[in-house]
Amino acid sequence: EVHLVQSGAEVKKPGESLKISCQGSGYRFTDYWIAWVRQTPGKGLEWMGAIYPGDSETRYSPSLQGHVTISADKSITAAYLQWSSLKASDSAMYYCARLGSYATSPIDPWGQGTLVTVSS
Amino acid sequence: ETVMTQSPATLSVSPGDRATLSCRATQSVSSDLAWYQQKPGQAPRLLIYGAYIRATNIPARFSASGSGTEFTLTISSLQSEDFAAYYCQHYNNWPPTFGQGTKVEIK
Repeated sequence: EVHLVQSGAEVKKPGESLKISCQGSGYRFTDYWIAWVRQTPGKGLEWMGAIYPGDSETRYSPSLQGHVTISADKSITAAYLQWSSLKASDSAMYYCARLGSYATSPIDPWGQGTLVTVSS
Repeated sequence: ETVMTQSPATLSVSPGDRATLSCRATQSVSSDLAWYQQKPGQAPRLLIYGAYIRATNIPARFSASGSGTEFTLTISSLQSEDFAAYYCQHYNNWPPTFGQGTKVEIK
C-alpha cells in the first residue's frame, strides 16, 4: 500500500527558516512525481510545486517560485519543502501528495498534512 | 492560469437524496479533471480522475461527467459518510489548479 507520512506540526516566528518532510513508502519512489499543496481557510487548496525524485526535476507554481524550495533525497525516499524566511502568510496546512509519471497527473494518495503556524 | 469555479458553495441535501455539484474551467482542460472529497481534519481523497473514472474503492453512487470546460459530480443517494467538502482540480496544464470547493451538508 502506498503511504506518504509527513513530519509534525511546526510553530515558527516570522523570518525563521523551516524544512518539512514527506516520507514515501509502498512504491518505487523514483518513478512518481511528488507535489506539495497548501490549504488555508481563505485561499482553499493551492498547488505549490512538484518534484520528480528520479532526476530531481522540479516545477513550481509561478506565484510561489522563489519563496519556497522543493527537494528530494531518493536514497531515503523523502521529499522536502523549505523556506529560508517565513512570513505570517505562510501559516497553512501543507500536504505532500503523489502524482503519476507526469507532473500533470491526478493526486493519489495525499499525506496526512503538516500544520505550519508562523506568528510573532 | 486556468481558474476553476465550483457551484454551489454549499449544498444542503437530505440523506438518500441526489446531489449534483458543478465545476467550470476558464479554458478547456480536456478530460484532465479530478474530484476529491475532504472530511474535517482529514486530507483530501481522490474520487474521480479523467473526468469520469472512479478511483480505486470508490462506491458506484459517485459518478461524474463532462469535458472541456464544464464538469459535474453526482452522488446518487447520499449516505451519512458523504457529507463533506468536494473539490475539482484540473491537471491539463501548469500549474494545476483547484476549485474553491462545495460543502455538502445535511439538510
